[in-house]
Amino acid sequence: QQKVQQSPESLSVPEGGMASLNCTSSDRNFQYFWWYRQHSGEGPKALMSIFSDGDKKEGRFTAHLNKASLHVSLHIRDSQPSDSALYFCAASDNYGNEKITFGAGTKLTIKP
Amino acid sequence: EAAVTQSPRNKVTVTGGNVTLSCRQTNSHNYMYWYRQDTGHGLRLIHYSYGAGNLQIGDVPDGYKATRTTQEDFFLLLELASPSQTSLYFCASSGQGSGNTLYFGEGSRLIVV
Repeated sequence: QQKVQQSPESLSVPEGGMASLNCTSSDRNFQYFWWYRQHSGEGPKALMSIFSDGDKKEGRFTAHLNKASLHVSLHIRDSQPSDSALYFCAASDNYGNEKITFGAGTKLTIKP
Repeated sequence: EAAVTQSPRNKVTVTGGNVTLSCRQTNSHNYMYWYRQDTGHGLRLIHYSYGAGNLQIGDVPDGYKATRTTQEDFFLLLELASPSQTSLYFCASSGQGSGNTLYFGEGSRLIVV
């Protein structure tokens, strides 16, 4: 079983709508979380990180972390066609080994 | 932004063949990683390194060797390639310290026939 599980596997949202992606960890040692985005034919790029409980907002993107439940989410408001991509949740512990574990990804499609 | 360059971008080899994937980063990052990407599995860590001469085992290391020759260069070696190693391979780098972001290359697609 993967230590980082994402849902849903795929998601279709109308342009201008809200997209919500979820990620749950099974390892209580994970302390640092990221969302990465991968457009077709490219390598993944970091979208945002979140290390503390609560919300973190960057433009149209808001991440929420609840360490007690090991749950992190990403919400994209006013979705644009350019947001269509594969989104990965990633996590690491704080033991200094720099090992970063990824989920299986959520494929987001924004329909014009 | 960090620059990570992979080569070759595409490779086809036969079962039992030898393959070397190369990665170079030019941002003085200490950590370098090799991941494979497969549908339904996301990105899975093969090997990583925190400096020249160092190698750490990832989550799916079987059938792979790796070598970090310099701070800039990290190689992934498949000495007896199998069809199960057909995949998209990504190299990444990051700075030192917990909570550092990964910078990925553009990927190397390997097909083993």
